[in-house]
Amino acid sequence: KQEVTQIPAALSVPEGENLVLNCSFTDSAIYNLQWFRQDPGKGLTSLLLIQSSQREQTSGRLNASLDKSSGRSTLYIAASQPGDSATYLCAGRSGNTGKLIFGQGTTLQVKP
Amino acid sequence: NAGVTQTPKFQVLKTGQSMTLQCAQDMNHEYMSWYRQDPGMGLRLIHYSVGAGITDQGEVPNGYNVSRSTTEDFPLRLLSAAPSQTSVYFCASRVTGSSLAFFGQGTRLTVV
Repeated sequence: KQEVTQIPAALSVPEGENLVLNCSFTDSAIYNLQWFRQDPGKGLTSLLLIQSSQREQTSGRLNASLDKSSGRSTLYIAASQPGDSATYLCAGRSGNTGKLIFGQGTTLQVKP
Repeated sequence: NAGVTQTPKFQVLKTGQSMTLQCAQDMNHEYMSWYRQDPGMGLRLIHYSVGAGITDQGEVPNGYNVSRSTTEDFPLRLLSAAPSQTSVYFCASRVTGSSLAFFGQGTRLTVV
C-alpha cells in the first residue's frame, strides 16, 4: 500500500531564504507525483506535476524533483516571500490503482 | 471560469441528520472524486467516479453514498451524520488519463 510522508509538518523561515520541502513515498511503482498549495480555508491548487519518467519540473521560483529509486520528492522554493506562506501537499498517483495518495502537508510561514 | 464548484461552504448538522454535499464542474472532466481532510491525516479518498453512471469506493467510504447521473455533477450524501464525519470535504475532477487535478474550495462540515 502506497504511503506518502511529508517532513517537516511545519516550517518558519525569514523572507529571502531558499528552502526545501520533503516528500517520501513507499511504493516505487508511482505513476507521477504532484505538488499542491493550499491557502487557509481554501482548496488545493496544483503547482507542479512530475511524471515517473521525469526527474524534475520547474515553474518560476519553484523546482520539484523526483527520485523513484529512493522514494523521494523535493520541492525547492527559491528566494521565499511572505506570499509563499501556505500548506504544501504532495500526492503520488499509484501506478497500480491510479489513485492519488496525499501526504499530511508542510505548513510554511515566511516572515517579512 | 467556474472550474469545480462546491456547495455549501459551511454546514452544521446534528447527529443523525442527512444532507447532500454538491459538486459541479464545467470542464467536461470524466473523473471526479471526493476527499475528506482531517488534521494530521492529509486528504483521504471517499468515493470516485470515472464517468456518468460509474462510481467506486475509495479509502474511507463508510457512511457516504454517491451517484453520477451526469458528467457535470457528483453529489456526496451523508445518510445519518456522525460526529466522526466532522471534516473538510473536497471535490476534485480531472480528465481521464491526465493527472492534473482541479479542486473545489471545500465544504467545512461540523456534526454536533
